[in-house]
Amino acid sequence: AQSVAQPEDQVNVAEGNPLTVKCTYSVSGNPYLFWYVQYPNRGLQFLLKYITGDNLVKGSYGFEAEFNKSQTSFHLKKPSALVSDSALYFCAVRAFSGTYKYIFGTGTRLKVLA
Amino acid sequence: SQTIHQWPATLVQPVGSPLSLECTVEGTSNPNLYWYRQAAGRGLQLLFYSVGIGQISSEVPQNLSASRPQDRQFILSSKKLLLSDSGFYLCAWSNPGVAGLPQETQYFGPGTRLLVL
Repeated sequence: AQSVAQPEDQVNVAEGNPLTVKCTYSVSGNPYLFWYVQYPNRGLQFLLKYITGDNLVKGSYGFEAEFNKSQTSFHLKKPSALVSDSALYFCAVRAFSGTYKYIFGTGTRLKVLA
Repeated sequence: SQTIHQWPATLVQPVGSPLSLECTVEGTSNPNLYWYRQAAGRGLQLLFYSVGIGQISSEVPQNLSASRPQDRQFILSSKKLLLSDSGFYLCAWSNPGVAGLPQETQYFGPGTRLLVL
């Protein structure tokens, strides 16, 4: 069965410091991996994805994520956090075949402190 | 470019009343369509998905139903709302897979906040 884990309910980081939001996954076969961000009372916005190729993928707003197959992880990173990055972040996975469904993690609330 | 619309943005309904939420997608054809519910600003629960007109798959048995009367229109309905139906409802779409490859990115609408009193 497919699953996604975001082990931290909340991550606090000081503005200007690097941030990491963790995600691990379990899926049969090759995964498609995604990160989304949600601001209050808004829909989810797509940030970046890993399908194949380079393990380090770059996305919107200066975010990047590293795919690590051996650790089945896809952590979201940013070198220098902004207060405006404060939001709810979701990791999602989709198996390569056999399903139309995406599995989402429970979300991690990022709080960037000025 | 593709856009996805949901309405209404907010809705307050009494218990036992009917519900109809609408989602439409522009700029693409034959999208896969999804309804999710998000409770308390956290995890997403997949309710329904559709890979074509009239084709609906239900993920969670409950008093909600979905319909897809047109290629880019997805409707979430209920005959009688329950208090537990309150939440943030999100519609999403993705392009179907091309040349034997599975679909990739899923894109979300702005959501409808439903409060059942």
